[in-house]
Amino acid sequence: KQEVTQIPAALSVPEGENLVLNCSFTDSAIYNLQWFRQDPGKGLTSLLLIQSSQREQTSGRLNASLDKSSGRSTLYIAASQPGDSATYLCAVRPPGTSYGKLTFGQGTILTVHP
Amino acid sequence: DARVTQTPRHKVTEMGQEVTMRCQPILGHNTVFWYRQTMMQGLELLAYFRNRAPLDDSGMPKDRFSAEMPDATLATLKIQPSEPRDSAVYFCASGQLNTGELFFGEGSRLTVL
Repeated sequence: KQEVTQIPAALSVPEGENLVLNCSFTDSAIYNLQWFRQDPGKGLTSLLLIQSSQREQTSGRLNASLDKSSGRSTLYIAASQPGDSATYLCAVRPPGTSYGKLTFGQGTILTVHP
Repeated sequence: DARVTQTPRHKVTEMGQEVTMRCQPILGHNTVFWYRQTMMQGLELLAYFRNRAPLDDSGMPKDRFSAEMPDATLATLKIQPSEPRDSAVYFCASGQLNTGELFFGEGSRLTVL
């Protein structure tokens, strides 16, 4: 059974710092990995989607990498801002017909203080 | 701006009552999912549909939960009778098979007293 772990569970940094969020998964047979952001009381916003054949994806100040063989992904946030404060979740999708059966990590709660 | 729309956003009800949550997926998406989020369990998949056909509802307590897609613009999740342990935020998500990316609604926060 696929298990997804995110470290750290919580992170507090001063504005301007570069930071890394980690996601690990136990079964390397994945179709893709998706990073989400969730603000309090809100839904999940898709940040980056990495297909299993890709190594990384970038969007603005965000960069996500994927090392399928070692079962790891990292989300790099450059020059963090208070508006980046949220919970960040990673989720993996299995291959084949199990589309949508994403397995989520428990998330990393990020606080960026001015 | 295309988005997944869920109603109601908040629902407080008493144990034993029927609860229906509705979801309008993004136009053109052919897959729809229901997830439940709690502090203890995180996000759990309850059911999902492809082209309106239910593909998997193994995550759903079938004695009290039911999920349907009467048409391509509406998905429903019904709980009857509701119990306090059903209190959670229920999310609907939609996507396209070819991209594999999911888009979530803002959720329906359910409190069962």
